[in-house]
Amino acid sequence: SAVISQKPSRDICQRGTSLTIQCQVDSQVTMMFWYRQQPGQSLTLIATANQGSEATYESGFVIDKFPISRPNLTFSTLTVSNMSPEDSSIYLCSGSNTGELFFGEGSRLTVL
Amino acid sequence: RKEVEQDPGPFNVPEGATVAFNCTYSNSASQSFFWYRQDCRKEPKLLMSVYSSGNEDGRFTAQLNRASQYISLLIRDSKLSDSATYLCVVNRNNQGGKLIFGQGTELSVKP
Repeated sequence: SAVISQKPSRDICQRGTSLTIQCQVDSQVTMMFWYRQQPGQSLTLIATANQGSEATYESGFVIDKFPISRPNLTFSTLTVSNMSPEDSSIYLCSGSNTGELFFGEGSRLTVL
Repeated sequence: RKEVEQDPGPFNVPEGATVAFNCTYSNSASQSFFWYRQDCRKEPKLLMSVYSSGNEDGRFTAQLNRASQYISLLIRDSKLSDSATYLCVVNRNNQGGKLIFGQGTELSVKP
C-alpha cells in the first residue's frame, strides 16, 4: 500500500482564520478522499478529491467551507475556512487504488 | 438512521476470550465490506475484507449476510494487543474506495 504524509500533523488556530492541510502520497493513487473524525466519533467523509476538477462533496459539506485541490495523482490539499471551535477535529487524507483505503496519520486541528 | 451501525461499546473482556462484533448497513446496493482497526490516536488500518462466503484470518473471522444486511467480526483467543476500536466499513457504491464508516466499537482486553 502507498504511504500518505500529511502536514501539519497538528495545529492550534484562532477562530475566523483558515488552515490548509497538505497530503502527499508516495505513489500515484486513483482515488483520494478527505475524512473528518471529531472527538469520540467515527470517520465522516467530507469529499472525494478529483484530479484536475472540483471535488465531490458529501451532504453537509460545501466547497466554500472546505475547498479542496488535487492537481495530480499524488497530492491534495484541504482548507478549513473561517474556522470555529466546532471545526476542531482530526482531518484524515486517504487514498485508494483497488478498494482498500489507506490513511495518512491525520492532522489534529484545535480551534480556540 | 445511520448508514452503518455497530454495537455500542465498549467491550471489556479477559485475555483468551472470544468476542463478536455486529454491524448492519442500510444501503442494499453496497458492494464491498471491511473491518478496520483504529488504535488510540492513530489512523484506521485495514484489518480484513469481508467476503460473501465468510473468511478467516488467523484468530479473526468475518461473516456477511447480504439478505439481512449484516456483517460480523469474531475474535478468538483475544490478546492484550487486540485492544482497539473496530470499525465496520461499507463501500457505498463500489466506486474505488468511497467508504462509509460505522461509529466503531471499542474493545479492551484485560490480563
